[in-house]
Amino acid sequence: AAGVIQSPRHLIKEKRETATLKCYPIPRHDTVYWYQQGPGQDPQFLISFYEKMQSDKGSIPDRFSAQQFSDYHSELNMSSLELGDSALYFCASSLGFSRRETQYFGPGTRLLVL
Amino acid sequence: GIQVEQSPPDLILQEGANSTLRCNFSDSVNNLQWFHQNPWGQLINLFYIPSGTKQNGRLSATTVATERYSLLYISSSQTTDSGVYFCAVGNDYKLSFGAGTTVTVRA
Repeated sequence: AAGVIQSPRHLIKEKRETATLKCYPIPRHDTVYWYQQGPGQDPQFLISFYEKMQSDKGSIPDRFSAQQFSDYHSELNMSSLELGDSALYFCASSLGFSRRETQYFGPGTRLLVL
Repeated sequence: GIQVEQSPPDLILQEGANSTLRCNFSDSVNNLQWFHQNPWGQLINLFYIPSGTKQNGRLSATTVATERYSLLYISSSQTTDSGVYFCAVGNDYKLSFGAGTTVTVRA
């Protein structure tokens, strides 16, 4: 079965640089979620999109922005990177219209900021 | 937001042993999922179980929504069961995760 695809899988950036993470949801899924997991921590919700509109927002820094495109893929843009942004970033997808659906997680993008 | 507490924080098992992991949450929810995070960081979805009981091989889970807790049972544990088990709950578009239970299965 098709799964959530994230790219790149690994990314190394310098402080103050920008990064773009991409997420391709499971086919026919209309809702995308982004989570950030710091070292030794649990995943924290950043932002979600349903049918290309922002549906919920968590503790996402102002330096980060995201959007969902017409083909339902999503991109998380991160600017002015800081050392503390080093983390594992997960994208998840679901059929979100009822909000009672399983969220399926991608393999994650491991970002290291030097 | 919803508070999620998992216990125990750490669990060391001998191969073949059985175990129970617990997840307590502070409010009613319409989404509850159990995940296994393997040593490579992948989050594997185990169960979507906002209420009731489900079984999948050696794993089973029960959620008692009225009492705001869920249990994950691991039977006949194997070394490949090692990793962190997360419970995550939600009422809207986001999931709130517990701190996880780190399970180590020794051969």
